[in-house]
Amino acid sequence: DAMVIQNPRYQVTQFGKPVTLSCSQTLNHNVMYWYQQKSSQAPKLLFHYYDKDFNNEADTPDNFQSRRPNTSFCFLDIRSPGLGDAAMYLCATSRESNNEQFFGPGTRLTVL
Amino acid sequence: SQQGEEDPQALSIQEGENATMNCSYKTSINNLQWYRQNSGRGLVHLILIRSNEREKHSGRLRVTLDTSKKSSSLLITASRAADTASYFCATSQGAQKLVFGQGTRLTINP
Repeated sequence: DAMVIQNPRYQVTQFGKPVTLSCSQTLNHNVMYWYQQKSSQAPKLLFHYYDKDFNNEADTPDNFQSRRPNTSFCFLDIRSPGLGDAAMYLCATSRESNNEQFFGPGTRLTVL
Repeated sequence: SQQGEEDPQALSIQEGENATMNCSYKTSINNLQWYRQNSGRGLVHLILIRSNEREKHSGRLRVTLDTSKKSSSLLITASRAADTASYFCATSQGAQKLVFGQGTRLTINP
C-alpha cells in the first residue's frame, strides 16, 4: 500500500547529541512536510519541500535542518537537541500544495 | 499566527449521539480541511471543503463552511467509541502549507 513511513517510531537522545529522523513515501508526492507537535497542541510546521525547493518557516530554530535527497526521502536533523525539543515529529506529503496531506505515524523524540 | 481556533476544546458524549465541533479562522482561505488524530498517532485526513462550497458529506461526517463568518463545523452523526480522537481543522491560505487549529478532543462514552 502507498504510504508515508517514519523511522524510528521512538527515538531517545541525549541533550546536545545530534539526531536524525527519517521519512519516506511511496506516494510519489511533490511536497513533503515536517511538523513538530507537543502534547495537546496543534502540529507546528517546521519546513517543507516542494520538489527540491526548500521552504523554512520563519520561526523554525536554526537547530533544525532538513534534507531531501530524492522524491521519496526526507530527513529532519536536530543538531543540538535541547529538552524543549522533546515532541512528536510528524512527516506528511501532498501531491500539490494545498491538497490533502498524508501523514506518517510520527517519531516521538525524548531528550535526556 | 494560529489561523484556526476550535471550539470546544474538549467534548464528551454518549455513544450514538451526534458530535459537533466548530472552527473559526481569520483570513481568506482556499480550502479548509478536517483531520483526525488518534492518541500517539499521525493525522488522518477526513474531508476537504473548498471556499466556494457550503456543505460536504462523507459517510457519517458533515462539514459546513460559512466564509462570511469565517467558520466551519464538523458534525459526526451516530457516534461510535472508535470516533474517540482529537479533531483538527486546517486552513489553506494560498501559501504551500496548512495552518492547524488547536483541536477538539472528542471522547465517546460507551
